[in-house]
Amino acid sequence: AQKVTQAQTEISVVEKEDVTLDCVYETRDTTYYLFWYKQPPSGELVFLIRRNSFDEQNEISGRYSWNFQKSTSSFNFTITASQVVDSAVYFCALSPNTGNQFYFGTGTSLTVIP
Amino acid sequence: ETGVTQSPTHLIKTRGQQVTLRCSSQSGHNTVSWYQQALGQGPQFIFQYYREEENGRGNFPPRFSGLQFPNYSSELNVNALELDDSALYLCASSFGLPVRNTEAFFGQGTRLTVV
Repeated sequence: AQKVTQAQTEISVVEKEDVTLDCVYETRDTTYYLFWYKQPPSGELVFLIRRNSFDEQNEISGRYSWNFQKSTSSFNFTITASQVVDSAVYFCALSPNTGNQFYFGTGTSLTVIP
Repeated sequence: ETGVTQSPTHLIKTRGQQVTLRCSSQSGHNTVSWYQQALGQGPQFIFQYYREEENGRGNFPPRFSGLQFPNYSSELNVNALELDDSALYLCASSFGLPVRNTEAFFGQGTRLTVV
């Protein structure tokens, strides 16, 4: 079975604080991809990152960073020095080697307070 | 702007009616996937079309059907609407398969309310 769990339903932080969004996944596939998407109030899902299961290197892109740990089946997302524009719902997703779909978590709603 | 356009943006239908939602994919993209996102939930995969053929289906009943046209735009049809069909319907376009190897671009969705 394929499953993505985002245990944090809602998070509020004050602007400039760092925040980490947790993602835990389950899959029996040895090859898979993990994704993070941002969903602003307008509704569209905005791609943030794709990570191959064979690549456990952490990645940093500006204020965003991702920590992929296969041993704990986690793919956490950290926003450094958060800004009001970061307020959105963030989804973690899994795409296994079998099939062509994304399996999304239930999302974490992030509110950054000015 | 992702280049993926969905219409209409909002829709109100009565239980038992039929609805058609439309998606224009980004130029050059030949794969369209449809997702249903209930309030407070993550998107759930409905089905996918690749070069006008259905290429995978999620756990949705047959009253959910679709089409992809030669220009790769797509329609999602839902018959015999139920209250639980109220959701945001998202389409995603990408080039080629599998979609995990490419970037999928999502539209802004169609908000369907069934009363």
